[in-house]
Amino acid sequence: EAQVTQNPRYLITVTGKKLTVTCSQNMNHEYMSWYRQDPGLGLRQIYYSMNVEVTDKGDVPEGYKVSRKEKRNFPLILESPSPNQTSLYFCASSLFSPGTGKTGELFFGEGSRLTVL
Amino acid sequence: GESVGLHLPTLSVQEGDNSIINCAYSNSASDYFIWYKQESGKGPQFIIDIRSNMDKRQGQRVTVLLNKTVKHLSLQIAATQPGDSAVYFCAETPGGYQKVTFGTGTKLQVIP
Repeated sequence: EAQVTQNPRYLITVTGKKLTVTCSQNMNHEYMSWYRQDPGLGLRQIYYSMNVEVTDKGDVPEGYKVSRKEKRNFPLILESPSPNQTSLYFCASSLFSPGTGKTGELFFGEGSRLTVL
Repeated sequence: GESVGLHLPTLSVQEGDNSIINCAYSNSASDYFIWYKQESGKGPQFIIDIRSNMDKRQGQRVTVLLNKTVKHLSLQIAATQPGDSAVYFCAETPGGYQKVTFGTGTKLQVIP
């Protein structure tokens, strides 16, 4: 089954304790991206990756890091979480066509709800 | 989850009626648009897309209309069903297709 898998789905942590949210896709997609979703603000892009070892900032990258060492995985790292990073996080992937420079529809994971105390 | 639906504009429709959800996009350079549906506790799911060289595209029970002059996108759902109850987001992608910007969403409530 084609899917994007995120872990953990729920996490409560404390300020300053490093954490990683994993994301894995089994569709051989080149493009992967992380979003956070907050009430009234919709989905905002944190980081994205066009392919292995190629990552770039989205609209709200502060406080986050990512890596893309393998095509299927795109972990989101919070080195020193703060309460304002309490949110619902989504990982997504998409096909990317280098010839046209175009991506297609995004396939989303089920979300990871993070609470930072 | 449910907190996603707070603070959102809400459209309530009777089961069987048609629904129209509107979206104003911001970037005149955007040339690819997608509507997503997000049910409670789940990630967004693709509904339908349209490229800027079109002004209308139809799917099964859904139609997307694009008006580039006023930067407006709409999603029409025919014969709305209880299973259509969800939050609907429009998304725009400017040339380059790297950044995707989502609208804030509209909550659709279907009254049985």
